[in-house]
Amino acid sequence: DAGVTQSPTHLIKTRGQHVTLRCSPISGHKSVSWYQQVLGQGPQFIFQYYEKEERGRGNFPDRFSARQFPNYSSELNVNALLLGDSALYLCASTPSPGTGELFFGEGSRLTVL
Amino acid sequence: AQSVTQPDIHITVSEGASLELRCNYSYGATPYLFWYVQSPGQGLQLLLKYFSGDTLVQGIKGFEAEFKRSQSSFNLRKPSVHWSDAAEYFCAVGAPPGGSYIPTFGRGTSLIVHP
Repeated sequence: DAGVTQSPTHLIKTRGQHVTLRCSPISGHKSVSWYQQVLGQGPQFIFQYYEKEERGRGNFPDRFSARQFPNYSSELNVNALLLGDSALYLCASTPSPGTGELFFGEGSRLTVL
Repeated sequence: AQSVTQPDIHITVSEGASLELRCNYSYGATPYLFWYVQSPGQGLQLLLKYFSGDTLVQGIKGFEAEFKRSQSSFNLRKPSVHWSDAAEYFCAVGAPPGGSYIPTFGRGTSLIVHP
């Protein structure tokens, strides 16, 4: 069975640009969460979606937005990129919030120059 | 608010030696607790989890962890480390069901294994 898949795996952008990251959850999983992992740090929570509704939002600026589609896949959008947005962006899925274990994808490595 | 502290940034052990990685949490009630492992360039993989019941939990790859409420700790152990265990280890805490479940991660401990 396919795990959580993310695309693209690597990308390079310049300051001020916009980026869209995509995530497909494990089949049957209806909740998707996004995390930012800066080098040397643990994952920081950005968003959680369940059944296409936002269930939680971390302490990130409004430049960060996300959505979940009817097939439960998700997009993370970041506008007006800053150098500090360079990080590994991880997507995780779970059957529903509160079921415990998160299943992570391998991440999208974003470099902002 | 919940939080996790992993006091050791790096741990170095020799192959075959025992291992203990420390994790302390802050939460108002009994939390859900997790240990994840991340190999270079990879996502996170769950090693084990504690929800309730027996405070000693067994996980994959020969790892175990013990929940100690009095110490607010959930330390990860392995009796004999293999070179393939070299990776980044993250402890995470989450609230029990009743609302959105959003785990909070520690900053991680990097495990270095010497031959």
